Amino acid sequence: ETGVTQSPTHLIKTRGQQVTLRCSSQSGHNTVSWYQQALGQGPQFIFQYYREEENGRGNFPPRFSGLQFPNYSSELNVNALELDDSALYLCASSPDGALGEKLFFGSGTQLSVL
Amino acid sequence: AQSVAQPEDQVNVAEGNPLTVKCTYSVSGNPYLFWYVQYPNRGLQFLLKYITGDNLVKGSYGFEAEFNKSQTSFHLKKPSALVSDSALYFCAVRVMNTGFQKLVFGTGTRLLVSP
Repeated sequence: ETGVTQSPTHLIKTRGQQVTLRCSSQSGHNTVSWYQQALGQGPQFIFQYYREEENGRGNFPPRFSGLQFPNYSSELNVNALELDDSALYLCASSPDGALGEKLFFGSGTQLSVL
Repeated sequence: AQSVAQPEDQVNVAEGNPLTVKCTYSVSGNPYLFWYVQYPNRGLQFLLKYITGDNLVKGSYGFEAEFNKSQTSFHLKKPSALVSDSALYFCAVRVMNTGFQKLVFGTGTRLLVSP
């Protein structure tokens, strides 16, 4: 186990709704990244937070947003859900702001948009 | 754009036989390459990385990978497969951007080890 926990494990929403996913990073890790893994695909980088600031973003629209808290836990918010947002959302933490040599992943949140 | 490719959707091997999961990369500069494994209903687990140095990298669970610069490959190998090795394997490359770095993953290769 990596020590990275995500909640909830599964979630079902309808198109147009909003969702919040949560992640607790491994103890001592100040950097959190979020990835989207669609069915049959590799994980795609959404964004990264370092010490409560977003310091990097992938090719995702603004309706994907996030937060990082003083204890380095993090949230991923998605507004105006679309069917294509159905995916496994993975949170990963690392111990330094420059993305340490390996990531520690949580088990993910499986989001289904109907 | 920096990327990795995994040409095989699935690899089938009998228990006890050697296994190879293929990965090729397209990177400007020196590549930082990784292998991760994903078991059902689990997140990704780090197996090994290549940063610099020896071309043969040893990792977790008896896996190793060979970095080949001339062929731009980073194939994952294991001398003797176990049924418990059955999982989804991802190759990844670290991409550096201004102020941050990210991993770019391949599409994954499903490894099925039969008893």
